[in-house]
Amino acid sequence: ETGVTQTPRHLVMGMTNKKSLKCEQHLGHNAMYWYKQSAKKPLELMFVYSLEERVENNSVPSRFSPECPNSSHLFLHLHTLQPEDSALYLCASSQDDSGATEAFFGQGTRLTVV
Amino acid sequence: AQTVTQSQPEMSVQEAETVTLSCTYDTSESDYYLFWYKQPPSRQMILVIRQEAYKQQNATENRFSVNFQKAAKSFSLKISDSQLGDAAMYFCAYRTFFISNFGNEKLTFGTGTRLTIIP
Repeated sequence: ETGVTQTPRHLVMGMTNKKSLKCEQHLGHNAMYWYKQSAKKPLELMFVYSLEERVENNSVPSRFSPECPNSSHLFLHLHTLQPEDSALYLCASSQDDSGATEAFFGQGTRLTVV
Repeated sequence: AQTVTQSQPEMSVQEAETVTLSCTYDTSESDYYLFWYKQPPSRQMILVIRQEAYKQQNATENRFSVNFQKAAKSFSLKISDSQLGDAAMYFCAYRTFFISNFGNEKLTFGTGTRLTIIP
C-alpha cells in the first residue's frame, strides 16, 4: 500500500462519453501528478499540481481536464476522447520541499476508448 | 531537456542468478537524482533504489545495487539472487536536483525493461 489510491481500476468509454478518473493520497504530500503510460513509450507527464494549483501542463489536449479541489484529491475529467487515448493513467504524489523526494504512484486506471 | 534510455525492452534470468538492467541518460546538469522503479503486474510503481549524483558510492538496497558511472551517464541496476517476485517492468528515472520552481520536481522516465524470472 503506497497511500495513493486511484479509481476506477478499469474504464471502457465511448468517444462521446464523459467520465472522470479519481486519485486520492493520504501521505500529506503537497504535489500531485497525472501520467500517461502507453505501450513501449516513456511515461508522459500530463499535469502537475502544487498546493492545489496547476503548475505545469505538458501540451495535453483539452479533452483532458484536471481538477485538484484539495491537496488530497486529484481528478482527470475526460470527454470526447480518441482511441489513441487508450492507455494506463497513473497518478502520483510527492513532497514539495526537497530535491530528493520520491514520487509515490497509484495502481493506475486502465482506460480503453472504443 | 533530459532524456533517459533503456535499450533492453526485455530481459530474462534464471531464478537465483544475477541480472543487470542498463540505463543511460543525457543531461547538462551536474547535480541530480536517479531512480529505479519496479512495476509489477499490480501496476503500482514501487521505488527500488535511489542514487544521488553527488555521491560517488553506488547505492545498495538488499539484493539490489546500482553501477553509477557519472562521466558515462550510465546507471545500471543489478539484481542478485533473483526471485520470482522480481518479475516486473523496471523503469529508470531522472529528477533534477534544484527546485527553482515546483515544476522541476517531475520525473523523466525511460521506456522500461520487462524482466522475466525463469524458475
